Amino acid sequence: QVQLLQSGAEVKKPGASVKLSCKASGNIFSNYYFYWVRQAPGQGLEWVGLINPSSGSTVYAQRFQGRVTMTTDTSTTTVYMELATLTSEDTAVYYCASPDYSGSGSSSDDVFDFWGQGTMVTVSS
Amino acid sequence: EVVLTQSPGTLSLSPGERATLYCRASQSISGFYSVGGDNLAWYQQKSGQAPRLVMFGASSRAAGIPARFSGSGSGTDFTLTISSLEPEDFAVYYCQQYGISPITFGQGTRLDI
Repeated sequence: QVQLLQSGAEVKKPGASVKLSCKASGNIFSNYYFYWVRQAPGQGLEWVGLINPSSGSTVYAQRFQGRVTMTTDTSTTTVYMELATLTSEDTAVYYCASPDYSGSGSSSDDVFDFWGQGTMVTVSS
Repeated sequence: EVVLTQSPGTLSLSPGERATLYCRASQSISGFYSVGGDNLAWYQQKSGQAPRLVMFGASSRAAGIPARFSGSGSGTDFTLTISSLEPEDFAVYYCQQYGISPITFGQGTRLDI
């Protein structure tokens, strides 16, 4: 099992940046990918991007290109997502998620067996 | 990008009834390399909680998901069926395709009592 513990709620002004964290614990495999998915209030799910902590490689959804940066600290098994130039449309719950490669789960890239508890980001003047 | 359209938007049923949820993709998500089923997943989300994986590969149940849940379909049309609803099944369900970048989700089906 993998546990994903996210940082606390944030309130930001338009134009600011926010950096969220997601600490992974449990049966972490070196080749785990980590993903970020967001959900605006009352809305559906939207994929933001992914990071491979082993290589540091990232893939971002096109609409976030140039505004999002995902990084990792392998020593603490923590992944980060920074989103810049915030607008009210970025108000959402942000989730980190990962597949389960242990053999008990999907073992599929891009399938989200494990989820963090979510971090609420509110952008308001 | 692949647009996923879920229907119905809301489904009102009672415990013990059968629920059928649909997910249609704007283009086929079957690929030559779709080993283990099409790249379509379903998630259950209850109010105030993170989503929970229910199905992947279109028809493979996730760990801990009871046998009353089943998935089917290929290409562009997919179905999630709950054979006999339990009170804990009432939630919002999202489909997700991961066969064609970028990953996309449907808008959700609310399953109401």
